[in-house]
Amino acid sequence: SAVISQKPSRDICQRGTSLTIQCQVDSQVTMMFWYRQQPGQSLTLIATANQGSEATYESGFVIDKFPISRPNLTFSTLTVSNMSPEDSSIYLCSAGGDYNYGYTFGSGTRLTVV
Amino acid sequence: GESVGLHLPTLSVQEGDNSIINCAYSNSASDYFIWYKQESGKGPQFIIDIRSNMDKRQGQRVTVLLNKTVKHLSLQIAATQPGDSAVYFCAENTQAGTALIFGKGTTLSVSS
Repeated sequence: SAVISQKPSRDICQRGTSLTIQCQVDSQVTMMFWYRQQPGQSLTLIATANQGSEATYESGFVIDKFPISRPNLTFSTLTVSNMSPEDSSIYLCSAGGDYNYGYTFGSGTRLTVV
Repeated sequence: GESVGLHLPTLSVQEGDNSIINCAYSNSASDYFIWYKQESGKGPQFIIDIRSNMDKRQGQRVTVLLNKTVKHLSLQIAATQPGDSAVYFCAENTQAGTALIFGKGTTLSVSS
């Protein structure tokens, strides 16, 4: 299965600013996904990052707040824009989607907005 | 069990016991199921998966059971060890290539 490098691992940001999280996969993958995990809770899907086209967002998440890039089959970024304390969470990227290779996760970005 | 508020259900076992973690899913069209283990400060780690055309699959010390009739999934861990202490999530999807949808999670606490 693919190995994912995600960075930064953590950050403390001022409200109103933006943070871009990067996810690098060690092999080409068809699908990449972004999740949010609030403290003590499960993972919630933000969007599917589509290579060469706009991301597909889940209900409750919008492109203006969480713009996503997927320039090639090994890389994606998620930006958390105009942050507020409510955006404090762990953000995780995932890659895969082929049943033979499974779904792998990055180690997550722990974001604190002050 | 069901989670209440922000708290994940907890299962506490003694080292060497067998553990059973349960998960209910709601989508009868779900075709693929995975169990993940998440340790503090880390991303989810794959444990075992199962397709809907199976009802049981075994790995090293772990077994996943799928009951499609009642939409229930379980993870059995044999001879539980302190290193098994973590949060366990079930996840599902309906089609290859689509995103996984995660269940609520269970915290497993193993005491020696």
